[in-house]
Amino acid sequence: AQSVTQPDIHITVSEGASLELRCNYSYGATPYLFWYVQSPGQGLQLLLKYFSGDTLVQGIKGFEAEFKRSQSSFNLRKPSVHWSDAAEYFCAVGDPGGGADGLTFGKGTHLIIQP
Amino acid sequence: EADIYQTPRYLVIGTGKKITLECSQTMGHDKMYWYQQDPGMELHLIHYSYGVNSTEKGDLSSESTVSRIRTEHFPLTLESARPSHTSQYLCASSEFRGTGGMKTQYFGPGTRLLVL
Repeated sequence: AQSVTQPDIHITVSEGASLELRCNYSYGATPYLFWYVQSPGQGLQLLLKYFSGDTLVQGIKGFEAEFKRSQSSFNLRKPSVHWSDAAEYFCAVGDPGGGADGLTFGKGTHLIIQP
Repeated sequence: EADIYQTPRYLVIGTGKKITLECSQTMGHDKMYWYQQDPGMELHLIHYSYGVNSTEKGDLSSESTVSRIRTEHFPLTLESARPSHTSQYLCASSEFRGTGGMKTQYFGPGTRLLVL
C-alpha cells in the first residue's frame, strides 16, 4: 500500500526567508505526486504536480518541488516566503495505474510565518 | 478557479439524527470524491463516483452513503449520526482520467461535523 510521510508537523519561518517542506512516499513505482495548500476555512488548492519528465516542477505562488527518485522524496520549496503563505500544506500521491484515482495524503505540515 | 461548493460549512448535531452533506460542482466533471479528515490527520478517501448512477467505496470504511443522480451533485448521508462521525468531510471533483493520465482534483471548502 502506498503511504506519504511529512516528517514536520509544524514549521516556523521568518517572512522573507527560504522554505523547504519535506515529503517522502512509499510506493512500488513512481507515483503521481502533488502538493496542496489549505488555508483556514478553505478547501485544498493545488500548488503543483509531477507526473513525469523534468524532476523540478514549478507551481503557483512561487513554489517549486523536486522529485528525487533515489530518495523517494518530493520536497516543496520557496525562496522567499510571504505572510500569506501561512497555511497547512499537504503532500499527496496518486496511482498511475488508474482505478479509483483517490489520492493518498500525508498528515500535513502547518507553516507559521514570523514577522 | 475551481467551482465546487459544500453546505453546510459547519454542523453540530445530536446523536441519532440523519444528516446529509451537500456537494455540488459547476465544472461538468464526471468524477467526484468524498474524503474524511480527522484533526491533525491525513485525508482518507471514503467514496467516489465515475458519473451518474455510479458510486464506489473508497479506501477507508465509512458508515455514510452517497448518491449520484445528477452530474453536478454528490451528497453524503449519515442515517444515524454518532460522535465517532465527528470529522471534516471534503468533497472533490475531477475530469475523467482518459488517456492523458490522472486529472487534477479540485476540492470544496469542507464541512466540519460535530456530533454530540
